[in-house]
Amino acid sequence: KAGVTQTPRYLIKTRGQQVTLSCSPISGHRSVSWYQQTPGQGLQFLFEYFSETQRNKGNFPGRFSGRQFSNSRSEMNVSTLELGDSALYLCASSLTSGASSPLHFGNGTRLTVT
Amino acid sequence: AQRVTQPEKLLSVFKGAPVELKCNYSYSGSPELFWYVQYSRQRLQLLLRHISRESIKGFTADLNKGETSFHLKKPFAQEEDSAMYYCALRYPNFGNEKLTFGTGTRLTIIP
Repeated sequence: KAGVTQTPRYLIKTRGQQVTLSCSPISGHRSVSWYQQTPGQGLQFLFEYFSETQRNKGNFPGRFSGRQFSNSRSEMNVSTLELGDSALYLCASSLTSGASSPLHFGNGTRLTVT
Repeated sequence: AQRVTQPEKLLSVFKGAPVELKCNYSYSGSPELFWYVQYSRQRLQLLLRHISRESIKGFTADLNKGETSFHLKKPFAQEEDSAMYYCALRYPNFGNEKLTFGTGTRLTIIP
């Protein structure tokens, strides 16, 4: 079974631009979660989607948004990029949206904002 | 708010020595706890979770509700155990089932 696939692997953007990251979950997985990983803050939860609906949201500004499509693929969008948005963005999928369903992570998209 | 604390950022242990990676959490009740591991150049992956009560790669972790801890242990460290370890928790059925991670501990096994 193919793992979680995130594209692109690397992105360089300038302040003020917007960016869209993509995540394809493991086949059959219906829940997709997004995390931001930085050296200072570690892994911070952004949001979770299940069956095209946002179920949970972390403490990030409205510039961070996401969506999930009917095939469970998910996209994350960040508008008006700031230098502090530079991070590794991880996507994780799970079979269901529930505490007993472990997360399977992708390799991440490394975003650099200059 | 739920919080996970991993007090050690770095931990070095000699090969063959016992390993203990500490994890404490804040909240009462019955959380679900996990250990995730990230080996060099690999993706973050689940190592074990407390409800399974299993031993993976020689690692075990016991949930101690009294001390609100979920320490990861292995009696004899191996070089391939060198990695970044993250403790994580989730509170089911609270309408907020996000997984909260600790800041991680980098374990280095000295040959």
